[in-house]
Amino acid sequence: EVQLVESGGGLIQPGGSLRLSCAASGFTVSSNFMTWVRQAPGKGLEWVSVIYSGGATYYADSVKGRFTISRDNSKNTLYLQMNSLRAEDTAVYYCATTPRGASRGHYFDFWGQGTLVTVSS
Amino acid sequence: QSALTQPASVSGSPGQSITISCTGTSSDVGGYDYVSWYQQYPGKAPKLMIHDVSQGPSGVSNRFSGSKSGNTASLTISGLQAEDEADYYCSSYTSTSAYVVFGGGTKLTVL
Repeated sequence: EVQLVESGGGLIQPGGSLRLSCAASGFTVSSNFMTWVRQAPGKGLEWVSVIYSGGATYYADSVKGRFTISRDNSKNTLYLQMNSLRAEDTAVYYCATTPRGASRGHYFDFWGQGTLVTVSS
Repeated sequence: QSALTQPASVSGSPGQSITISCTGTSSDVGGYDYVSWYQQYPGKAPKLMIHDVSQGPSGVSNRFSGSKSGNTASLTISGLQAEDEADYYCSSYTSTSAYVVFGGGTKLTVL
């Protein structure tokens, strides 16, 4: 059974850093597209970043240069390193996966439960 | 402002059919058959309902169907049930730097 469990969220001051983790089971993160999607309180979904099985990465303009997506194949875990955090980064962050065989990481068939990041002084 | 445009709300009675639209551009919805739809209950993670315009994942009711015409995609729910009351989001791959864009979401109310 596929499972994704995020952790690492919390309250952080503006300008601070946080690293989110997404532990996967039931599949291999290095074989799939892995994505972070966020949702600000009461708002819609926003795509954040994707990492391809081959290692290529892409970012939303709103986080480019501040966030870094990565994975640890030995731990079967996805990460999101978030630096220079701003109030507008406050959101629930979900990790999600795209099935093997998809041409792009453009849809997400399994999602984690999300972890809340609050950026506030 | 979301990249894809959805109605803020739709409603229908049990047993009826409703359609939610999702309008984009030739850089996203109109340019690729990579439109997806998600259902989200309050406080829960989204659930994939449709991918690649009209493909339903296993385990999803066939009451949910998707289509596309030009720059507008649509999600149709037939035989509305009380449990369908939720928020629905469309998304699409985009050739812009955004990679994937979402709609603003549509709140479905079952009367």
